[in-house]
Amino acid sequence: SQQGEEDPQALSIQEGENATMNCSYKTSINNLQWYRQNSGRGLVHLILIRSNEREKHSGRLRVTLDTSKKSSSLLITASRAADTASYFCATGPAGLETGTASKLTFGTGTRLQVTL
Amino acid sequence: NAGVMQNPRHLVRRRGQEARLRCSPMKGHSHVYWYRQLPEEGLKFMVYLQKENIIDESGMPKERFSAEFPKEGPSILRIQQVVRGDSAAYFCASSPPGGSYFTGELFFGEGSRLTVL
Repeated sequence: SQQGEEDPQALSIQEGENATMNCSYKTSINNLQWYRQNSGRGLVHLILIRSNEREKHSGRLRVTLDTSKKSSSLLITASRAADTASYFCATGPAGLETGTASKLTFGTGTRLQVTL
Repeated sequence: NAGVMQNPRHLVRRRGQEARLRCSPMKGHSHVYWYRQLPEEGLKFMVYLQKENIIDESGMPKERFSAEFPKEGPSILRIQQVVRGDSAAYFCASSPPGGSYFTGELFFGEGSRLTVL
């Protein structure tokens, strides 16, 4: 089973609208990260939120984390055609000291299509 | 300021052949992670290595797959006797060993796409 599962699996919106993607996970985490993947390319880190944080902003991105529900959401405001990509959440394992390297467990992704 | 370099970007092999995928981490990074991505799916963790040391290989298939990260040179993911089910994109990521300024993010290469005929 997936540690992280995003929903919706696919999302189609018009430019200028907001896009919200959700991620649920199963085990305790140290941090949760969101990555973007353009078609045929590698993943690019977008934003990280620690387990003791509830909300974080970066430009047009807003991420929330609810550890009691084991869920996170990524909001992209005022979307642009260039935001068209797949978005993945990834979790770092609990019990990790801050600043320690570790593998990440990725979810299944949300495919976002932004049309003009 | 090169990022994570993977090669080849595309590799075609016939069933039974060997595939070798290479990954050079970002400068200053000593940790390498390999992930596999099937079409329209997420990334599945395979192996996590430091120089000359396998830290976690819990995602590696028990047979035919091996990985190394030697003292000198790139990390290598080796798949022996490939089968059609090995067709996928293989991504390498790197990170520094850690530290007070390390946030935990991974830096990904562009991937190597293996097609098994």
